[in-house]
Amino acid sequence: GIQVEQSPPDLILQEGANSTLRCNFSDSVNNLQWFHQNPWGQLINLFYIPSGTKQNGRLSATTVATERYSLLYISSSQTTDSGVYFCAVSNDYKLSFGAGTTVTVRA
Amino acid sequence: GAVVSQHPSRVICKSGTSVKIECRSLDFQATTMFWYRQFPKKSLMLMATSNEGSKATYEQGVEKDKFLINHASLTLSTLTVTSAHPEDSSFYICSFARQGTYEQYFGPGTRLTVT
Repeated sequence: GIQVEQSPPDLILQEGANSTLRCNFSDSVNNLQWFHQNPWGQLINLFYIPSGTKQNGRLSATTVATERYSLLYISSSQTTDSGVYFCAVSNDYKLSFGAGTTVTVRA
Repeated sequence: GAVVSQHPSRVICKSGTSVKIECRSLDFQATTMFWYRQFPKKSLMLMATSNEGSKATYEQGVEKDKFLINHASLTLSTLTVTSAHPEDSSFYICSFARQGTYEQYFGPGTRLTVT
């Protein structure tokens, strides 16, 4: 399967700070999704972004498919942004997940 | 749109019993769905893929006789953990791929504890 590496594994932010999360993958993909897993375990779809750039409020993401990486930007972080962020990719329907980045935003 | 429900959200059962978890797509139809499990502080691991009306395809190392999957319709799939043992305790999550896209939508998960 496709190998997915996320960095950093842990991130501690002060409220209001900006941050960048990275996802590297080992093969070409037709699907790349970013998720936020909340404390109750629900995976919330942030972006479906196999290529290009998208923005949704304070979050944005960029995928450079030819170089096999994606970036998730969090701006003006809030305590509600805390949780685990997963990148998942596939070149068929089967998603391979990275290990996640645990984000803690402190007030 | 793209809401997935999962029931129950939490279940505790005794060793040797069977547990059924139900997963529904509430506002869209999907031909392909997936079951994942997640251990504490770990990532999600795909267990099986199923298409409506067909047998599920299990990932390597997943026992098909232990984890029975029934993809009954375009909006409903069930996972039955048979003869559960404490090592089956985990967080089980389903997802659907919406027709015409590769994007997956996830249910809220079921936390299974086997005593």
